[in-house]
Amino acid sequence: SQTIHQWPATLVQPVGSPLSLECTVEGTSNPNLYWYRQAAGRGLQLLFYSVGIGQISSEVPQNLSASRPQDRQFILSSKKLLLSDSGFYLCAWNRLASETQYFGPGTRLLVL
Amino acid sequence: GENVEQHPSTLSVQEGDSAVIKCTYSDSASNYFPWYKQELGKRPQLIIDIRSNVGEKKDQRIAVTLNKTAKHFSLHITETQPEDSAVYFCAARNPYGQNFVFGPGTRLSVLP
Repeated sequence: SQTIHQWPATLVQPVGSPLSLECTVEGTSNPNLYWYRQAAGRGLQLLFYSVGIGQISSEVPQNLSASRPQDRQFILSSKKLLLSDSGFYLCAWNRLASETQYFGPGTRLLVL
Repeated sequence: GENVEQHPSTLSVQEGDSAVIKCTYSDSASNYFPWYKQELGKRPQLIIDIRSNVGEKKDQRIAVTLNKTAKHFSLHITETQPEDSAVYFCAARNPYGQNFVFGPGTRLSVLP
């Protein structure tokens, strides 16, 4: 069976500090991978998606970046965090030939 | 690009009553429509989905209907229970893109 992991689960960072969130998927090959952000009490904002190693599509211009160094690893980064970066970051995946998308447990980020 | 609207934003029903949440989409090429349930502090969980070659799908107390001509789809929950209380998100995806577009969510409260 397939599982998706995210870490850390929670993170408190000062404004201006760097960020690295990691997502890994087990039990499948060549998945599509996604990063979403959810502000408190709000909907899901797609940040990045990737259809393969080194292939990243950005949906929203911002101070965040994403990388996919391995087939089942997706990383979200920032060089300098802003207060507005606070939120619940969700990684998701789906099989290449399937529409069904599954979410990871999420990382709750608080920027102070 | 695709735009998904969702109504109502909040919904309160008495336990045992039915709840209906409606979504509209703009891209007639969209052909896959999932519904997710998100409990407080948790990840969104897929509860039901429908593809454009089907008009209705049912799974126990949950059903989804799709009207391709009008470009809208609805989630129906019958015999609601307190544990149905959550935020529900609809989404749409077209076969040409890799990303999903989510509605803003509906907060459902089932009152005992």
